[in-house]
Amino acid sequence: NAGVTQTPKFQVLKTGQSMTLQCAQDMNHNSMYWYRQDPGMGLRLIYYSASEGTTDKGEVPNGYNVSRLNKREFSLRLESAAPSQTSVYFCASSEPQETQYFGPGTRLLVL
Amino acid sequence: QKEVEQDPGPLSVPEGAIVSLNCTYSNSAFQYFMWYRQYSRKGPELLMYTYSSGNKEDGRFTAQVDKSSKYISLFIRDSQPSDSATYLCAMRSNYQLIWGAGTKLIIKP
Repeated sequence: NAGVTQTPKFQVLKTGQSMTLQCAQDMNHNSMYWYRQDPGMGLRLIYYSASEGTTDKGEVPNGYNVSRLNKREFSLRLESAAPSQTSVYFCASSEPQETQYFGPGTRLLVL
Repeated sequence: QKEVEQDPGPLSVPEGAIVSLNCTYSNSAFQYFMWYRQYSRKGPELLMYTYSSGNKEDGRFTAQVDKSSKYISLFIRDSQPSDSATYLCAMRSNYQLIWGAGTKLIIKP
C-alpha cells in the first residue's frame, strides 16, 4: 500500500518551460488536491477534485492547469513556468475531507 | 489579516518538557480542527482532529478547542527528540482546509 505517490521528486526548469507533475493514490479516495508550500505561507490550495471528472480552483490557481485522469490520478501542469512558481508541491487525497493524506512532495526550482 | 494565525517559531524546549502549540482564527463558522505534523522534506501527516469545542487526547498528545476565544492548542507531554518537526493547524471551511503557516518545534536531548 503506497498511499500517495508523486513524480518527479525534484525538477529544475527554465522560465517559459512547461512540465506536468504526476500524482497517484491507491486508497480509493474520491477527493484529491494540489497544494504549494512556501516558507512562511503555509499550504495554499491550487486546485482540487471532489470526484473523478470534476475539478475546481483553489486559492492560487493562476498559471496552473489540472487533469483528473481517473479516480487514482490527478496531474498538475505548468504551461509556462515562472520564477514565482518555485515552490514545494504536494498532492493529497482524502475521504472524508478532514483526513487528508499527503504525498512526499515535488521540489520545483524555476530559473 | 490571515484567517488562521500561527507563530512560526522556532520553539526550542528540552526533552521531557510539556509543549504547547497554538493557533488563532477569525472565522466562527469553522467546525473541524486538525493538527498535522511535518518532518523535514516530507509531506504533512494528520496527528489529531476534533469537532467543535472540547478536548481530545491520544497518548502524549492533547488537542484543545476553545470556540468562544477562536483558539486551538496542541499539547505534547514528555516531549521526545523525535517530536522535532513543524506542526500545522488546519480548519475546515466548506470544501477545503484553511492552514496555519506552521510552528517549527525543536526538542533538545
